[in-house]
Amino acid sequence: DGGITQSPKYLFRKEGQNVTLSCEQNLNHDAMYWYRQDPGQGLRLIYYSQIVNDFQKGDIAEGYSVSREKKESFPLTVTSAQKNPTAFYLCASSRGDREFGMNTEAFFGQGTRLTVV
Amino acid sequence: AQKVTQAQTEISVVEKEDVTLDCVYETRDTTYYLFWYKQPPSGELVFLIRRNSFDEQNEISGRYSWNFQKSTSSFNFTITASQVVDSAVYFCAALSKAGTALIFGKGTTLSVSS
Repeated sequence: DGGITQSPKYLFRKEGQNVTLSCEQNLNHDAMYWYRQDPGQGLRLIYYSQIVNDFQKGDIAEGYSVSREKKESFPLTVTSAQKNPTAFYLCASSRGDREFGMNTEAFFGQGTRLTVV
Repeated sequence: AQKVTQAQTEISVVEKEDVTLDCVYETRDTTYYLFWYKQPPSGELVFLIRRNSFDEQNEISGRYSWNFQKSTSSFNFTITASQVVDSAVYFCAALSKAGTALIFGKGTTLSVSS
């Protein structure tokens, strides 16, 4: 089945550790995204990538890093510089729309819940 | 600046009641998409509908209907005869041609009791 796979579902991080969240899609979408969700805050964009080897910072990129070496994969690293990493992380992808020359709806993975212990 | 506003934080209804979720998108762009997503307790966001800024036709899908009014930049979502399974957080989102990624409202938590 086509879709977006995030792993792990739950992740525990110790203070000072870097951790990497995996995101893989087999929808052949060009664009991929990472969002962070906190209670009552909605979804906030961390990073965005339109094509392989290119990505842009979102609204809350500090303390995070990404790579896009393959079209299918967009891993997110939460570094020790992120002071409050406990949150629900959602990866998404979307295709382009020729009618308006922009991306369309995003499809989401099941999310990774990261907790600092 | 662009902003998606969902003024209702929480709504509680009893089964079979109709409920409308409000969404307003502030933008100067004329070309954009609006979306609704459902987030059940499992956490995954489920895409419900997309509407472009040039299409003001109402859309109905079963018990769900959507009303887009460009003059007020509102994209409201109505659930008719609500059911317990409709309980979830509902997000409105937008993407303008000048933007890079979807921006989201803060969500409305809908609780339907039996």
